[in-house]
Amino acid sequence: DIVLTQSPATLSLSPGERATLSCRASQSVSVHLAWFQQKPGQAPRLLIYDTSNRATGIPARFSGSGSGTDFTLTISSLEPEDFAVYYCQQRISDWPPLFTFGPGTKVDIK
Amino acid sequence: QVQLVESGGGVVQPGRSLRLSCEASGFPFSSHGMHWVRQAPGKGLEWVAVIWYDGTKQFYADSVKGRFTISRDNSKNMLYLQMNSLTAEDTAIYYCTRDQVGRFDYWGPGTLVTVSS
Repeated sequence: DIVLTQSPATLSLSPGERATLSCRASQSVSVHLAWFQQKPGQAPRLLIYDTSNRATGIPARFSGSGSGTDFTLTISSLEPEDFAVYYCQQRISDWPPLFTFGPGTKVDIK
Repeated sequence: QVQLVESGGGVVQPGRSLRLSCEASGFPFSSHGMHWVRQAPGKGLEWVAVIWYDGTKQFYADSVKGRFTISRDNSKNMLYLQMNSLTAEDTAIYYCTRDQVGRFDYWGPGTLVTVSS
């Protein structure tokens, strides 16, 4: 089975700094990689789909990139509301359709 | 606007059953596949199950296969998750989420299931 790993587990940064989050797959995956943001007590929110497409209403400071086994979520300049946990997610099997999430990266205030 | 609202969570004893519901509104429910995703307390997200837009196909994570059943009623805009033989490992917040061309684009606020004696 394809496993997603995320690094670092925790990223301590200050507002205004750039955040770079990594998601690595155990084997090459399709471009259908997504990123979600989750704040305490809230449901996850879709940020990025298909590696690099921003979901509706997501600010331009969020961007995604990557291919094969290595994917990156970049937040160009952290706003106070960006401190949260971020998960990557991938469809790991075309048939039967199966899905998996990475373990998450927590971005907290330094 | 798209809304998903889960219900049916609560405290249940190990080995017992529970049925979760998800009421959808604000979009053509019968045109979208739907998923259940869960999150154990303090843990990450785990995909649970998916059902095709017309209900003809369902697929499950290995951890729930044979115990959980996903279903839907398109006439009522409702999604369900029947959970049998529950164990403590099933304790989690359960979210329903809409499938939009393979992406989980809208989520409900979740409903908490606690399996405990």
